[in-house]
Amino acid sequence: QSVLTQSPSASGTPGQRVTISCSGSSSNIGSNYVYWYQQLPGTAPKVLIYRNDQRPSGVPNRFSGSKSGTSASLAISGLRSEDEAEYYCAGWDDSLSGVVFGGGTKLTVL
Amino acid sequence: QVQLQESGPGLVKPSQTLSLTCSVSGGSISSSTSYYWTWMRRPAGKEVEWIGRIYTTGRTDYNPSLKSRVSMSVDTSKNQFSLRLTSVTAADTAVYYCARDLAWGYLDPWGQGILVTVSS
Repeated sequence: QSVLTQSPSASGTPGQRVTISCSGSSSNIGSNYVYWYQQLPGTAPKVLIYRNDQRPSGVPNRFSGSKSGTSASLAISGLRSEDEAEYYCAGWDDSLSGVVFGGGTKLTVL
Repeated sequence: QVQLQESGPGLVKPSQTLSLTCSVSGGSISSSTSYYWTWMRRPAGKEVEWIGRIYTTGRTDYNPSLKSRVSMSVDTSKNQFSLRLTSVTAADTAVYYCARDLAWGYLDPWGQGILVTVSS
């Protein structure tokens, strides 16, 4: 059982907007920043969103993040086939004194 | 641009010690802006698990669930940091990743990962 909870799968058609959610607790999301990572098949994970809603340079503005209380969301608008990947949330947990991760959501572009 | 690359044996026997090295290129591991250097793993079908991190001064933080078996070290002269996990079992079979921790879970970049299988 992951400390951060994500739905295992999501799907959408090209051009659609999809949202991936991440649920945690007061010791992680509720009191620390959330990060979102994208892992394309056969590649290293890459940060998509940092500090809840910030995009690193080079990440398209189709990707956006938000946080409310102990939950966070990643939204992808204008879905493209190259967005087919696994996405997972992460953040610091004060109880663990370490980083915790969601189980990952596999996004399929139909 | 900083890049990381894991290396080490892909097969370890049960009860033995798993040893991995992460080589850092494109920047100094002990630059003026110092960071934590982190190890994680992902068993097949499971979530990523944070193993721990090491600062360039040698200060470490470990996952409590692995603390009794884990040690990390840093070699600034070789621009590398390393992981040792003792008394391994099949449950330690996973893809192991190293990454730079910019701040409390902001992990960038990551290495490609290395599959380590524990089997006799």
